[in-house]
Amino acid sequence: GNSVTQMEGPVTLSEEAFLTINCTYTATGYPSLFWYVQYPGEGLQLLLKATKADDKGSNKGFEATYRKETTSFHLEKGSVQVSDSAVYFCALYVKTSYDKVIFGPGTSLSVIP
Amino acid sequence: DGGITQSPKYLFRKEGQNVTLSCEQNLNHDAMYWYRQDPGQGLRLIYYSQIVNDFQKGDIAEGYSVSREKKESFPLTVTSAQKNPTAFYLCASSIGLAPTGELFFGEGSRLTVL
Repeated sequence: GNSVTQMEGPVTLSEEAFLTINCTYTATGYPSLFWYVQYPGEGLQLLLKATKADDKGSNKGFEATYRKETTSFHLEKGSVQVSDSAVYFCALYVKTSYDKVIFGPGTSLSVIP
Repeated sequence: DGGITQSPKYLFRKEGQNVTLSCEQNLNHDAMYWYRQDPGQGLRLIYYSQIVNDFQKGDIAEGYSVSREKKESFPLTVTSAQKNPTAFYLCASSIGLAPTGELFFGEGSRLTVL
């Protein structure tokens, strides 16, 4: 079946550090891949997306590249800020007879000054 | 501004009581969803609806019920049959009759059973 695996958190970084959150997936067909972010006490927001192999999604300094050969979609940011502290969810969607978005378990990030 | 409004933000329930969580959207989206979020876990789909007067069970529908009488509204009832209802509940919507993976979320409702 379709699934998403993320690196376990929590992740704690100092401000201006480099961030990588690993995400790998299993899917039949050709999924679209997404990163969502959830700030404390709020709902999720779409951060970036990629719909086909080798696409790079980017937003707010975050980037992720759709790697079909390694079935990965790792999230990166060159210099994190305190305001980036949140939970990050990797997700996939592939159209099947049962349409739904599949989310990973989430990775909590804390950025300290 | 367009968006999804969930209410109440916090809700306390005694065991044996049914409670209803409200979800309203003014995005003119066809599809709406209810997810449950537990600490350290991802989102699990409870119910979804692609058109008015039709809805489908998700992965954890037992103990929950929904209705979709209007396009903009998709209330969730947590019944007394739900054994462990304390959680954070998220409502979402998407454009079109099938999601493309782009979901728009409300700010959530936190339910605590006393």
